[in-house]
Amino acid sequence: RKEVEQDPGPFNVPEGATVAFNCTYSNSASQSFFWYRQDCRKEPKLLMSVYSSGNEDGRFTAQLNRASQYISLLIRDSKLSDSATYLCAVNKGSARQLTFGSGTQLTVLP
Amino acid sequence: EAGVAQSPRYKIIEKRQSVAFWCNPISGHATLYWYQQILGQGPKLLIQFQNNGVVDDSQLPKDRFSAERLKGVDSTLKIQPAKLEDSAVYLCASSFIANEQFFGPGTRLTVL
Repeated sequence: RKEVEQDPGPFNVPEGATVAFNCTYSNSASQSFFWYRQDCRKEPKLLMSVYSSGNEDGRFTAQLNRASQYISLLIRDSKLSDSATYLCAVNKGSARQLTFGSGTQLTVLP
Repeated sequence: EAGVAQSPRYKIIEKRQSVAFWCNPISGHATLYWYQQILGQGPKLLIQFQNNGVVDDSQLPKDRFSAERLKGVDSTLKIQPAKLEDSAVYLCASSFIANEQFFGPGTRLTVL
């Protein structure tokens, strides 16, 4: 089993749709979780951290389910500009390392 | 605040040649990471520095890859000799707050 797994997609959704991505992790001792956004041929950029209580930033909501060992990202009212690959990242031990999933590709269609 | 700087942005070499990449992290970030990202995959950690010391290089192919971070600021990653399978984007990242990492634009390496 991979340390961090994501559905690669692609997810093709119309503008205004709500879309959700899940990411499962294998290390139950993981403490920090993140979602990164990566545009084509660009570097990953931190989108949001994922807190135990869940957190929201505008149209984006991230949640953590420790019992089932997954994190989720919900995007409401999708915009064309949301088209990108979304990478989840999970910390690895105490050495401040992250393990990344392979990413989920999202295309928002007009 | 300036971000992570990397150079060159693109490099094309032939197999068995050598290549070096440079990274300048965000000012004040003690931790620096080098990642390899192959097309369609997430970034894979190669080496992690804390100041000028190596924290983890367990996934660095040491027979051909080397990295250093002199004076705890800039870092270089070298490949010698390069193989076809080394074609990838090499990303440098730095962090200050635990686990929040910020990436540079990367160096896209093509090995022919």
